[in-house]
Amino acid sequence: DGGITQSPKYLFRKEGQNVTLSCEQNLNHDAMYWYRQDPGQGLRLIYYSQIVNDFQKGDIAEGYSVSREKKESFPLTVTSAQKNPTAFYLCASSWTTGELFFGEGSRLTVL
Amino acid sequence: GENVEQHPSTLSVQEGDSAVIKCTYSDSASNYFPWYKQELGKRPQLIIDIRSNVGEKKDQRIAVTLNKTAKHFSLHITETQPEDSAVYFCAASIGGSARQLTFGSGTQLTVLP
Repeated sequence: DGGITQSPKYLFRKEGQNVTLSCEQNLNHDAMYWYRQDPGQGLRLIYYSQIVNDFQKGDIAEGYSVSREKKESFPLTVTSAQKNPTAFYLCASSWTTGELFFGEGSRLTVL
Repeated sequence: GENVEQHPSTLSVQEGDSAVIKCTYSDSASNYFPWYKQELGKRPQLIIDIRSNVGEKKDQRIAVTLNKTAKHFSLHITETQPEDSAVYFCAASIGGSARQLTFGSGTQLTVLP
């Protein structure tokens, strides 16, 4: 069954800790993305990658890091430098143009 | 960069009535306008999109209209049903590039039985 899988679904973090969110896709899409969703603010782009071993900052990259070592995988690390990390994080993939296919999301709560 | 404004933020309609959600964009170079639907607790999914070489596109009960001169586009849902209740996001990009999509802030649509 083709799709995009995010894990974990829920994650709790203490202040000062880094956490990594997993995103895996088997759609053979070249491009992958990370979005942050906050109430009333729509979806904001954190990072995107169009090809293995290459990625670009989005609109709100500060305090986040990514890697793209495999076409199928695009993990996001939320570092302690992110001032307000509590949010819902969505991973997506696509061909270079057109429809975004989203994962089910990961909800991060900082305690 | 691109700025997309979406109105209203919440919308309640009676089952069977029509719903209209409006978005404006700032960058006249934008030429791809998708709409995504996000049901409660689920992932956003594309429901319809339009490119700037057409003014209107329909898919069953859903239609999107585009006014390039005024830089606004709208989602129309007719004969609304309870399963239409969701958050709807508009977006705009240049050249259809997903990496350049700018999203609106979302509209919570509630269809009342």
